[in-house]
Amino acid sequence: GENVEQHPSTLSVQEGDSAVIKCTYSDSASNYFPWYKQELGKRPQLIIDIRSNVGEKKDQRIAVTLNKTAKHFSLHITETQPEDSAVYFCAAGGTSYGKLTFGQGTILTVHP
Amino acid sequence: EAQVTQNPRYLITVTGKKLTVTCSQNMNHEYMSWYRQDPGLGLRQIYYSMNVEVTDKGDVPEGYKVSRKEKRNFPLILESPSPNQTSLYFCASSGGAGNTIYFGEGSWLTVV
Repeated sequence: GENVEQHPSTLSVQEGDSAVIKCTYSDSASNYFPWYKQELGKRPQLIIDIRSNVGEKKDQRIAVTLNKTAKHFSLHITETQPEDSAVYFCAAGGTSYGKLTFGQGTILTVHP
Repeated sequence: EAQVTQNPRYLITVTGKKLTVTCSQNMNHEYMSWYRQDPGLGLRQIYYSMNVEVTDKGDVPEGYKVSRKEKRNFPLILESPSPNQTSLYFCASSGGAGNTIYFGEGSWLTVV
């Protein structure tokens, strides 16, 4: 089955810096890669996703890159703000089947 | 308003006492799933369903049952709960594999 590894487990940055979180996956059949943000005590919410027919996708300060050959994808947050502090999860799955496997999560702390 | 509703939100129960966590969505989604979230392990998929009467195991199905008799409902059943099933449980739905997943608010379950 699919295995998703996420690094780092914790990340601390100063406000205005960039943050990068990386994930690797094992199943070459996976073609859907979402990222979720989870604030303390709340449900995970989708912030961006990418499908295997594109290499990069941007949405304002957030971008995701995908390297299908190397089986890794990354989340990039620029100009970080304190409200970006949360746990971030990557996931990998297929668009033709329902199973979605999550990474272990990254606790991002942005210091003012 | 698009909603995934799960109940109960908080429950303390005793070992061996059968319980059911209900999940209902109002978006006419075909795809529903259950996850458990434990510290350091991220979100792990328990079961998922691609449509009515179609279910399949996720990564950690042992000790759980599900059913999908109606499109909107996807209950999670713990026939004989054990302390290692103490966790935060999330129900989720989407319009199909590879589509945005909407999570419920979560159910905190403690088995003593």
